[in-house]
Amino acid sequence: AQSVTQLGSHVSVSEGALVLLRCNYSSSVPPYLFWYVQYPNQGLQLLLKYTTGATLVKGINGFEAEFKKSETSFHLTKPSAHMSDAAEYFCAVSDRDDKIIFGKGTRLHILP
Amino acid sequence: GAVVSQHPSWVICKSGTSVKIECRSLDFQATTMFWYRQFPKQSLMLMATSNEGSKATYEQGVEKDKFLINHASLTLSTLTVTSAHPEDSSFYICSAKSLSLNTEAFFGQGTRLTVV
Repeated sequence: AQSVTQLGSHVSVSEGALVLLRCNYSSSVPPYLFWYVQYPNQGLQLLLKYTTGATLVKGINGFEAEFKKSETSFHLTKPSAHMSDAAEYFCAVSDRDDKIIFGKGTRLHILP
Repeated sequence: GAVVSQHPSWVICKSGTSVKIECRSLDFQATTMFWYRQFPKQSLMLMATSNEGSKATYEQGVEKDKFLINHASLTLSTLTVTSAHPEDSSFYICSAKSLSLNTEAFFGQGTRLTVV
C-alpha cells in the first residue's frame, strides 16, 4: 500500500525566504510523485510531477522538487517566497494504477 | 492544459433530498474519472474510481448506494448524493485522466455541498 507523509501541517516563511515543504512517501514499486497547490474553495493545480528520468523536477511558479529514492522523499522548494504562494500544498503518490493518494497537506503562510 | 469542469460549484440542499454533481472533461476524453471528498482543513480522500461504460470501484468505507457514480460517456461523470444528510456536507472534487495525456490527472474546481 502506498502512503504519503507531509511533515508540518503549517509552515510559515517570510516573504523572500526559502520555502521548504517536506514529503516522504511509501511505495512498493517505483512511484509517480506529485505536488499540487490548492487555493481556498478551489480544485487542485499541479505544480510538478516526477515519473522517471531526472530526479530534480522543475514546476510552475518557480517551485521545484527532488526525488531521493534512498530517503523516500520528494521535498518541495522555492528559493524566494511570494505572498501569492500562500495556499495549501499537497504531496501525492501514484503507483500507476491510476489512483492518486494524497498527503494531509501543508498550509503555507507567507509573512510580510 | 486540459480542463475539467465541475457543476455546480456550490449547492445547498435539504436533508433527505438528492444532489447530482457533474464532472466534465472539456477538451479531452477521460477514460478514467475519480471522485474525492475533502473535509475542512483536511486532505482529499478518494471515494471511487470510474471507467467509462463500467461500474465504479468504490474505496473501502464508501457507501455505493449513497454515492451513485455514473460515467456514461468519455467526457462526463456524475456523482449523486442520495438522501443527503448534514454529515454529507463537504467539498467534492473530481479528477480525470486520459490515456493520451499519460500520467497527469486534471482536477475540477470542486463542489461545496451543504446539507441543511
